[in-house]
Amino acid sequence: GAVVSQHPSRVICKSGTSVKIECRSLDFQATTMFWYRQFPKKSLMLMATSNEGSKATYEQGVEKDKFLINHASLTLSTLTVTSAHPEDSSFYICSARTRERGRQETQYFGPGTRLLVL
Amino acid sequence: LAKTTQPISMDSYEGQEVNITCSHNNIATNDYITWYQQFPSQGPRFIIQGYKTKVTNEVASLFIPADRKSSTLSLPRVSLSDTAVYYCLVGDGRKLIFGQGTELSVKP
Repeated sequence: GAVVSQHPSRVICKSGTSVKIECRSLDFQATTMFWYRQFPKKSLMLMATSNEGSKATYEQGVEKDKFLINHASLTLSTLTVTSAHPEDSSFYICSARTRERGRQETQYFGPGTRLLVL
Repeated sequence: LAKTTQPISMDSYEGQEVNITCSHNNIATNDYITWYQQFPSQGPRFIIQGYKTKVTNEVASLFIPADRKSSTLSLPRVSLSDTAVYYCLVGDGRKLIFGQGTELSVKP
């Protein structure tokens, strides 16, 4: 199947700093990528849809000025958590959508990034 | 987006067949059904996808009745490494909304 990578896998930062997370589709091009966050023992929550060459679409309740998304190319989307606070500590997961042979459009997920804000 | 309902948890033993059923009563004509597996601190992994009837791949089977209001993921002869959370999602590919998933625990 299609491979999606994320970098870094984990990051620790001080409160008030900004953190950038990269999401790459390694063997396919993705016009659409998605960003999720997941708290312990909870399900994934969709934060935003990232479209190549245009502005991201944020889900209700997600602050677009706090979670900056840039989808600069067909293989790279970035999520920047600005002025991070301890409550932003979470597991951030990206996905990229593609259509493989014999399938409908399917999302493939990255391994996730663990963010801890001190 | 169609809402899905799954059992919160299931227990099984190694070597058994496990069937996880998902209800999606308001599935739309263009929607298809996708199942993912997630281990702790990892991203979800694609398992199987289908639109109707039966789909089988090297790891699982997916059974979808004619009315498509439910689907059943079948895992043959589970092992300890199949202990994970399994998510059923319904959509036309535009975006996915995750439900609570089913936490499968496989015991020796």
